Amino acid sequence: GAGVSQSPSNKVTEKGKDVELRCDPISGHTALYWYRQSLGQGLEFLIYFQGNSAPDKSGLPSDRFSAERTGGSVSTLTIQRTQQEDSAVYLCASSLGRTGRNTEAFFGQGTRLTVV
Amino acid sequence: DAKTTQPTSMDCAEGRAANLPCNHSTISGNEYVYWYRQIHSQGPQYIIHGLKNNETNEMASLIITEDRKSSTLILPHATLRDTAVYYCIVRPANSNSGYALNFGKGTSLLVTP
Repeated sequence: GAGVSQSPSNKVTEKGKDVELRCDPISGHTALYWYRQSLGQGLEFLIYFQGNSAPDKSGLPSDRFSAERTGGSVSTLTIQRTQQEDSAVYLCASSLGRTGRNTEAFFGQGTRLTVV
Repeated sequence: DAKTTQPTSMDCAEGRAANLPCNHSTISGNEYVYWYRQIHSQGPQYIIHGLKNNETNEMASLIITEDRKSSTLILPHATLRDTAVYYCIVRPANSNSGYALNFGKGTSLLVTP
C-alpha cells in the first residue's frame, strides 16, 4: 500500500509569510508524528497525535507553530510569520500506535522548507 | 536528555559485518530499544527493535546485553547502500505522554569498497 505522503516536497517562502505543510499518513495508522531536521542536524521532535487523545505538543519551538489532525487522518503543520531559522526539512511519520504495543514508525520523504 | 550514547562515526569494509554499539545505561524495565537509520536525503527507516531478547530480521540483528544497559546492531554483510546515520532509541512500551521517538545524533556509518 501507499506510504506516508507529504506535500509539497519543496516550499520556498518569504520571511513573515505563513505556510502549511500536509501529511497523509498510512491508512489505519492512529499515531502521527512531526519532526524537523535542519541542515546537518539530527531530528527534532515537534508534535505527536495518538487517536483522539490530546496531542503531545511538547516539541513545538514557539507559538508560531501549530498542527492539527482532522478526522484522525490527514495532518497539517502550520508555521506563522516564518523566520529564516524555520528553514529545515519537515518530516512526518505514522504508526499503528496501539496501546501497549510498540510498532515501527514509517516516515515520509519530508517537505523542504526554505525561508528567504 | 540523551538516553543513549553512540559513537559519532564508524567505517566498515563492504561485505564485512558492521557492529554498531549503543549504551543506554539508564534504560528502565518497560523501555524498548529501537534502531532506525537515515540514508542521505531520505526519511528515517525502521530497522529493528527489542526488549531483552536478541532479535533478528531480514535487515539486521540486535544483541542486547543481559543487564540491558547496552546493545549492538549488527549488519551481517554491509553493502555500500548501508552507508547512513544509525540511530539507537529507547522508548517506553506505553506512555501517556506519547510514543515520541527521541533521535539523538546517531552513528554515521561509512561502508567503503
